[in-house]
Amino acid sequence: DVVMTQSPLSLPVTLGQPASISCRSSQSLVHSNGNTYLTWFQQRPGQSPRRLIYQVSNRDSGVPDRFSGSGSGTDFTLKISRVEAEDIGVYYCMQGTHWPTFGGGTKVEIK
Amino acid sequence: EVQLVESGGNLVQPGGSLRLSCAASGFTFSGYWMTWVRQVSGKGLEFVANINQDGTTKNYVESVKGRFTISRDNAKNSLYLQMNSLRGEDTAVYYCARDPSSSAFDLWGQGTLVIVSP
Repeated sequence: DVVMTQSPLSLPVTLGQPASISCRSSQSLVHSNGNTYLTWFQQRPGQSPRRLIYQVSNRDSGVPDRFSGSGSGTDFTLKISRVEAEDIGVYYCMQGTHWPTFGGGTKVEIK
Repeated sequence: EVQLVESGGNLVQPGGSLRLSCAASGFTFSGYWMTWVRQVSGKGLEFVANINQDGTTKNYVESVKGRFTISRDNAKNSLYLQMNSLRGEDTAVYYCARDPSSSAFDLWGQGTLVIVSP
């Protein structure tokens, strides 16, 4: 199975400051059809996961534009341009190019 | 409203069985792959099983093969997970999720808790 490695495990942030989460895969996530199926989810405390970004960089409807996704091949990044209080939670990357696997999660908390 | 609502979670003894249900509403259920994902308390997410639109293709994570069966009833807009021979390591919150393409789960239910304990 493809191993998804996120870093850091914990990310203390200052409100209004940027934040960045890394996600690396053990194999290329480029599908034979040319698409890259890398998805980012947010899980707020006590809630279900919510999709933020799909196919590396496509933001879901209703997701603030302070969230952005980038990367290619095996190396991906989720960035929050200015962290707000509602952004606190755990963020997961997931690949769907091969047998679906999730990263271990990054907990974003207020410094 | 577009939503998924799981039910059926419970406390069950090791070796026991449980059937989870997921009721879909607000969208054309028969047009989507559907998936079960689980989360051990305080831990990460694990894909459990998925099923295609007409129920003819099913996939399972290795650890549940031969014990769990995913199914759906498009007439009832419902997804199911029959869990047999349950083990302690199956204890988790089970979510159903809609899959528009290649596991990019865009809609999740609220989850249902399964506890396997003597």
